[in-house]
Amino acid sequence: DQQVKQNSPSLSVQEGRISILNCDYTNSMFDYFLWYKKYPAEGPTFLISISSIKDKNEDGRFTVFLNKSAKHLSLHIVPSQPGDSAVYFCAVSLNTGKLIFGQGTTLQVKP
Amino acid sequence: KAGVTQTPRYLIKTRGQQVTLSCSPISGHRSVSWYQQTPGQGLQFLFEYFSETQRNKGNFPGRFSGRQFSNSRSEMNVSTLELGDSALYLCASSLVSTAVLGETQYFGPGTRLLVL
Repeated sequence: DQQVKQNSPSLSVQEGRISILNCDYTNSMFDYFLWYKKYPAEGPTFLISISSIKDKNEDGRFTVFLNKSAKHLSLHIVPSQPGDSAVYFCAVSLNTGKLIFGQGTTLQVKP
Repeated sequence: KAGVTQTPRYLIKTRGQQVTLSCSPISGHRSVSWYQQTPGQGLQFLFEYFSETQRNKGNFPGRFSGRQFSNSRSEMNVSTLELGDSALYLCASSLVSTAVLGETQYFGPGTRLLVL
């Protein structure tokens, strides 16, 4: 049973528009949430994170929103750029440190 | 500062063989975690080593084992390889144990293992 779900396997947006990637989780005890970006033939690269005591964290073009009541996490990229095209994984963590990843969403940003 | 390095990058083995993968963490990082990525199962946690001790373990059979050396470098061993072990094996390092809330893991490029 998947504890972390990214229901959209792929997403295509136009350059300059907003990209919204979504992630749902089942366990309300998760206390730390992360987004990673992965290019082919490379390992995941840390993008942005948020702890359960916050509902929003911003870093440049990237903003992560956390809705604890809905157990929902989203990543907004504004404006989207062609270089953002990659696979995006959300990950959640308990204080055991183990990361549980979603299945990933492939984002394509068209010029 | 150099990132996480993994060797070898690519490996082909046959069923029944055993394999050892190596991971060198970012300088100063003391925690190393291992993950398996497959198309069907996604990224799955194998185990974490911190200060030469296994701190946490995922749901993988005993054929998967690891160790960490005093310089924080880590090795992962898979014995009696099966076809289903074909995957990208990723290691990630962090400064301290990932039990510390907010401790970010930084990933290496991975070792792609093909079992024939």
